[in-house]
Amino acid sequence: DAGVIQSPRHEVTEMGQEVTLRCKPISGHNSLFWYRQTMMRGLELLIYFNNNVPIDDSGMPEDRFSAKMPNASFSTLKIQPSEPRDSAVYFCASSFQGYYEQYFGPGTRLTVT
Amino acid sequence: ELKVEQNPLFLSMQEGKNYTIYCNYSTTSDRLYWYRQDPGKSLESLFVLLSNGAVKQEGRLMASLDTKARLSTLHITAAVHDLSATYFCAVDSSSYKLIFGSGTRLLVRP
Repeated sequence: DAGVIQSPRHEVTEMGQEVTLRCKPISGHNSLFWYRQTMMRGLELLIYFNNNVPIDDSGMPEDRFSAKMPNASFSTLKIQPSEPRDSAVYFCASSFQGYYEQYFGPGTRLTVT
Repeated sequence: ELKVEQNPLFLSMQEGKNYTIYCNYSTTSDRLYWYRQDPGKSLESLFVLLSNGAVKQEGRLMASLDTKARLSTLHITAAVHDLSATYFCAVDSSSYKLIFGSGTRLLVRP
């Protein structure tokens, strides 16, 4: 299996621009998680999908962040407009049924200037 | 609210030595995970501990879980340079939500 796939791996953008991060979970996994990792706050869960439905989005920082999962093999995390404080590494992870081991993707390093 | 505390946060140790990383958590949970992260890389799952008294070993690493004490340990035996990385414990706060510790940055010196 290819594991969790994320794109792009690196993104540099200017403040105010829209950013879209993409994730393909492991085939057969029905739970998908978006995390953000920063030095100051560590690893934070942003949103959790189960069977393509958002179950918990309490970690989404504000209305500038949105996430979708249109089908079992694809999810996006969008930031519009982006701000310098959004600079972080964003990880996507997937698991079977949510409470099993989570497998992490390689991450997207986002820099907003 | 579940809180997860790791210590130490930074550990510099010589090759060949033994050491233990501790992970304490504040509320009841019987599912705990250990992950490894190399600089600039993703998180790699090391151990899944699912019940009180669970012990798992892989190479020079051994993890254990005491749910009554709300404590997990990651023991390193005869450390080698390849073990240098950041180690995270993560505790299940609900059926899906993992709360991560701050991580322990391990540096193994020759």
